[in-house]
Amino acid sequence: DAEITQSPRHKITETGRQVTLACHQTWNHNNMFWYRQDLGHGLRLIHYSYGVHDTNKGEVSDGYSVSRSNTEDLPLTLESAASSQTSVYFCASGTSGVQETQYFGPGTRLLVL
Amino acid sequence: QKEVEQDPGPLSVPEGAIVSLNCTYSNSAFQYFMWYRQYSRKGPELLMYTYSSGNKEDGRFTAQVDKSSKYISLFIRDSQPSDSATYLCAMLFGNEKLTFGTGTRLTIIP
Repeated sequence: DAEITQSPRHKITETGRQVTLACHQTWNHNNMFWYRQDLGHGLRLIHYSYGVHDTNKGEVSDGYSVSRSNTEDLPLTLESAASSQTSVYFCASGTSGVQETQYFGPGTRLLVL
Repeated sequence: QKEVEQDPGPLSVPEGAIVSLNCTYSNSAFQYFMWYRQYSRKGPELLMYTYSSGNKEDGRFTAQVDKSSKYISLFIRDSQPSDSATYLCAMLFGNEKLTFGTGTRLTIIP
């Protein structure tokens, strides 16, 4: 069955370290998204991609970067982790032209100390 | 003011009751309206979506959109303990990105 996976599921890191969160989907979707979820803010878009080598900034992109070298993967990198980046991170994917349907991964809980 | 407002709850109702979950929005350009369900420590999953105004029914769930009032609702009939989750509304227009509400935490009491 097609799926979307994230790794690691939990991560503890220190301020200033570079961290990369992995997202892998087997739906063969062109569109992939990274969100963070915080109490009182809901889901906020960090970065998104509409295809290989395409990346775009979302609402809260400062301090994050992504790259898309193939259809299946969109890793999210925190260049220099900050305590404000402690959050739950969700990756999602969807079909081009069907923005209303996105499939979410199980999430990564990140704690920055 | 946020584009999408949703009461965070928590909301607790007895099993078998009708549940009403709501969102208001300010952007009149929104065309698609979605409801996602999120169980604890899981990713959101799409429950229903509607295009423009009107009602849509799927089993015990009914989604309702009133564009004139900028108000959407999700009704759950004969609520079950398995319906306990956080429900997020989401909206978009054209080829733009989803805009989510903050979510309402629902508990169904057996």
